[in-house]
Amino acid sequence: GAGVSQTPSNKVTEKGKYVELRCDPISGHTALYWYRQSLGQGPEFLIYFQGTGAADDSGLPNDRFFAVRPEGSVSTLKIQRTERGDSAVYLCASSLAQPGDTQYFGPGTRLTVL
Amino acid sequence: EDQVTQSPEALRLQEGESSSLNCSYTVSGLRGLFWYRQDPGKGPEFLFTLYSAGEEKEKERLKATLTKKESFLHITAPKPEDSATYLCAVQAWGAQKLVFGQGTRLTINP
Repeated sequence: GAGVSQTPSNKVTEKGKYVELRCDPISGHTALYWYRQSLGQGPEFLIYFQGTGAADDSGLPNDRFFAVRPEGSVSTLKIQRTERGDSAVYLCASSLAQPGDTQYFGPGTRLTVL
Repeated sequence: EDQVTQSPEALRLQEGESSSLNCSYTVSGLRGLFWYRQDPGKGPEFLFTLYSAGEEKEKERLKATLTKKESFLHITAPKPEDSATYLCAVQAWGAQKLVFGQGTRLTINP
């Protein structure tokens, strides 16, 4: 079956611009996660959705970052007034609802802020 | 604060040379410890979940073990296709998020 998909695969933008990154989870997975991975580091948690609601957004670095999942499936991560320090690979993962269930990752979106 | 430290940062082996990767962790209460493999330019690929000290899991040339303070990923007679970054992560009771280590970059030379 289809795995987690993310679009675009690459995004280059200029400092100060707004960007949206999209995630399509595995069908039937009610839990969805966003992580950010800098070069040479492990993924760092940003936000977790259970259904349509953000159950844990403790990893969002500041109020320039926002994510939505209006119908409980596709999610969009939105970054306002991008900064060069936002450059990273943004990973999305999905899982079934139970704690401890495996999180399956997408290929990521590489964001470069010039 | 939950923390994961992996060692070594990088490891080069000859094909067939067995070794182990280490993952040390501190967590308020361990729900699960996860191992992933990540190839360049791709997302992490799930390998194993371990839930309690003493547990072991195997898949082909890989075996993961767990104690109360650390986990090991043993690789037996590796092949060049085992070259990748191996990531360890913990999930605490009451949380859904994974806390990752920085990874071990493994290179297997033919």
